[in-house]
Amino acid sequence: SYELTQPPSVSVSPGQTARISCYGDKLGDKYASWYQQKPGQSPVVVIYQDARRPSGIPERFSGSNSENTATLTISGTQVMDEADYYCQTWDTSTSVFGGGTKLTVL
Amino acid sequence: QLQLQESGPGLVKASETLSLTCSVSGGSISSIHYYWGWVRQPPGKGLEWIGIIFYTGSTYYNPSLKNRITMSVDTSNSQFSLRLISVTASDTAVYYCARHESRGDLANNWIDAWGQGTLVTVSS
Repeated sequence: SYELTQPPSVSVSPGQTARISCYGDKLGDKYASWYQQKPGQSPVVVIYQDARRPSGIPERFSGSNSENTATLTISGTQVMDEADYYCQTWDTSTSVFGGGTKLTVL
Repeated sequence: QLQLQESGPGLVKASETLSLTCSVSGGSISSIHYYWGWVRQPPGKGLEWIGIIFYTGSTYYNPSLKNRITMSVDTSNSQFSLRLISVTASDTAVYYCARHESRGDLANNWIDAWGQGTLVTVSS
């Protein structure tokens, strides 16, 4: 079965750029989405189709996907961005999530 | 404003069947642009995709759960449902219903709306 691998944690100082990676075999040939989940809340999509941002998501969120790695970039990270982030893709009619990355802003 | 609301028992005995329903309001469950599905999250752990259903009844399931799950849709009542048989403690999780927006082929879709989630605990 297809697997997506994310780092368990990423730390960044406020105002700096955070990058969260998501690794999967030939992931660049697929679409990747990213979801933000804050404690006690349902996830929210922040990036879909590799790099598209839904309305209402701040411009500081961006995404890329090439070869085997999709990357979520948060420029000018704010304290409110502290959350768990999950990547997602599809393989042979099945969707799969990465294990999640806890972003700490301090 | 689309709303998804899960309903069902919060406690299920081991070896029995977990049944959940998601009620959809503020949008059409019969739209060709969306699939309707389920995602679960064990306490303190990550997200697991369970499966999706189209309004026509076509389904796609997580292979690891395929032998135990059935999804159905009731377009007249704007609801879709999940049944998971022979549950064990490892099925204890928050279960989210979710709308998957689709742009053509199945590989090009993402979850654009989530329910609030419902905790289902499997007891021995």
